[in-house]
Amino acid sequence: KQEVTQIPAALSVPEGENLVLNCSFTDSAIYNLQWFRQDPGKGLTSLLLIQSSQREQTSGRLNASLDKSSGRSTLYIAASQPGDSATYLCAVILPGGSNYKLTFGKGTLLTVNP
Amino acid sequence: NAGVMQNPRHLVRRRGQEARLRCSPVKGHSHVYWYRQLPEEGLKFMVYLQKENIIDESGMPKERFSAEFPKEGPSILRIQQVVRGDSAAYFCASSLDGYQPQHFGDGTRLSIL
Repeated sequence: KQEVTQIPAALSVPEGENLVLNCSFTDSAIYNLQWFRQDPGKGLTSLLLIQSSQREQTSGRLNASLDKSSGRSTLYIAASQPGDSATYLCAVILPGGSNYKLTFGKGTLLTVNP
Repeated sequence: NAGVMQNPRHLVRRRGQEARLRCSPVKGHSHVYWYRQLPEEGLKFMVYLQKENIIDESGMPKERFSAEFPKEGPSILRIQQVVRGDSAAYFCASSLDGYQPQHFGDGTRLSIL
């Protein structure tokens, strides 16, 4: 059974700091990994999707890396801003058949202080 | 370009009543997923549907819960005889096909009195 763990559960940083969020998964045979952002009372916004054959993806100040063999992904946020404050979720999909469901971690609550 | 639309945004029911949650996927998407987020818990998969078919309902409780995605109209998640433990945020997502990114709605927050 696939399990996804995110560390830390919460993180508070001053504005401008670079930071790393961690995600680990127990079954390395994933099809892809997706990072989401969730604002309070809102749905999920997809940030980055990494296919299993890829090592990283970048979008603006965000960079996500994937190491399948060790079952780990990191989300790097450069020059953090107060608007980055949100819960960040990591989710994986396993390959095969109709197995398209996302398995989520519990998230990291990020607070960026001005 | 409307995203995934869920309604209602908030739903209050008394124990024993029925709750109906609606989800209209992104136009052109034929794959719909329902997830539940309990307080202090992560999102958990409930059910995956394609038009008129339930493909995977492995995450859905065996009793009181049902889902459909008819040929016309939105997907419906139905909870009969609700109990306090059903209080949660229910999210719907849709995708173009199984391995394409899933797009999420803003959720329905269900509260049981």
